[in-house]
Amino acid sequence: KQEVTQIPAALSVPEGENLVLNCSFTDSAIYNLQWFRQDPGKGLTSLLLIQSSQREQTSGRLNASLDKSSGRSTLYIAASQPGDSATYLCAVFSGTYKYIFGTGTRLKVLA
Amino acid sequence: GAGVSQSPSNKVTEKGKDVELRCDPISGHTALYWYRQSLGQGLEFLIYFQGNSAPDKSGLPSDRFSAERTGGSVSTLTIQRTQQEDSAVYLCASSLAWEGETQYFGPGTRLLVL
Repeated sequence: KQEVTQIPAALSVPEGENLVLNCSFTDSAIYNLQWFRQDPGKGLTSLLLIQSSQREQTSGRLNASLDKSSGRSTLYIAASQPGDSATYLCAVFSGTYKYIFGTGTRLKVLA
Repeated sequence: GAGVSQSPSNKVTEKGKDVELRCDPISGHTALYWYRQSLGQGLEFLIYFQGNSAPDKSGLPSDRFSAERTGGSVSTLTIQRTQQEDSAVYLCASSLAWEGETQYFGPGTRLLVL
């Protein structure tokens, strides 16, 4: 059974820092991996989608990498801003299990 | 353009009552998903619809939960004889045809069972 773990569970950093969020999964047979952000009381917003054949995806200050063989993905946020404060979720998709989500990393960027 | 919408945004009900939650996906999206997010927990997959195919109900926690999708668009999640452990945020998402596409989420319905 696919299990997705995110470390750390919570993170507080000063504005301007570069930071890395980690996601690990137990079954490497995935079709893709998505990173989402969730603001308090809101739904999820997709940030980056990495197909299984890809190694990384970039959007603005965000870069996500995927190492399928080791079951790991990282989300890199450059020059963090207070507006980046949210919960970040990763989710892996496989044909059997559909989308399995991690429990998230709660990020707080201090001004 | 219009995103995924859900109604109601909040629902308070008494234990034992039935509730219906509604999801309007993005127009043209053939895949629709329901998830549940309990306090302090991750998202739990409930059910998945793809076009006119039979839905994948493998995530439904009990037979009190059911969902339908009419005309390949609007979906309704029904919870019968609600229990306190059903209290959660119920999220709906839609995507283009293939399961591996980006999912777009609605704002969720916050259900509280007293």
